[in-house]
Amino acid sequence: AQTVTQSQPEMSVQEAETVTLSCTYDTSESDYYLFWYKQPPSRQMILVIRQEAYKQQNATENRFSVNFQKAAKSFSLKISDSQLGDAAMYFCAYTTSGTYKYIFGTGTRLKVLA
Amino acid sequence: GAGVSQSPRYKVAKRGQDVALRCDPISGHVSLFWYQQALGQGPEFLTYFQNEAQLDKSGLPSDRFFAERPEGSVSTLKIQRTQQEDSAVYLCASTFEGGGAWADTQYFGPGTRLTVL
Repeated sequence: AQTVTQSQPEMSVQEAETVTLSCTYDTSESDYYLFWYKQPPSRQMILVIRQEAYKQQNATENRFSVNFQKAAKSFSLKISDSQLGDAAMYFCAYTTSGTYKYIFGTGTRLKVLA
Repeated sequence: GAGVSQSPRYKVAKRGQDVALRCDPISGHVSLFWYQQALGQGPEFLTYFQNEAQLDKSGLPSDRFFAERPEGSVSTLKIQRTQQEDSAVYLCASTFEGGGAWADTQYFGPGTRLTVL
């Protein structure tokens, strides 16, 4: 069975510093996508970044980047120059071709300290 | 529309009541997903529509849960004879693509928080 694990229930980071959120997954598939979604308090979930498994290059979106280690089945999110607006729940998610089902982790709550 | 909308935003039901939750996806979006998010957990997949066709309902927890999207736009998730364990936030998401939905960005609604007393 495919699973997504986020082992850090909560993380804190000082404003302007860098933080890394961890995610591991388990799958026997070779063709899949990984995502990080952000869910701010009382606001809608939005996509932060995504990675295609067949791409070796790590995805980057402005201050957000991933460290995708396919062999280790690890997909961490690095947030650089953290801002107060980055405070939210972050969910790692997985899906694979041939299915419509997305599997989400349990989330990591990120606090940004001023 | 500008985004995915859901109504009502909050629903309190007595155990045994039936409820209907509505999702208005972004105009033109082919794919629509329903998720259940329990407190402190990540979203769990319930069902998927491509236009009006329900292509995957493997996540529906029981036959008390029913979803429809008759005209390929608005969708309704119905829960019959609600139980306390049904209390959760129900999220709807849509994507533009159909067959390639697994690769596309999902746009989420704000959710409906259901509390069953």
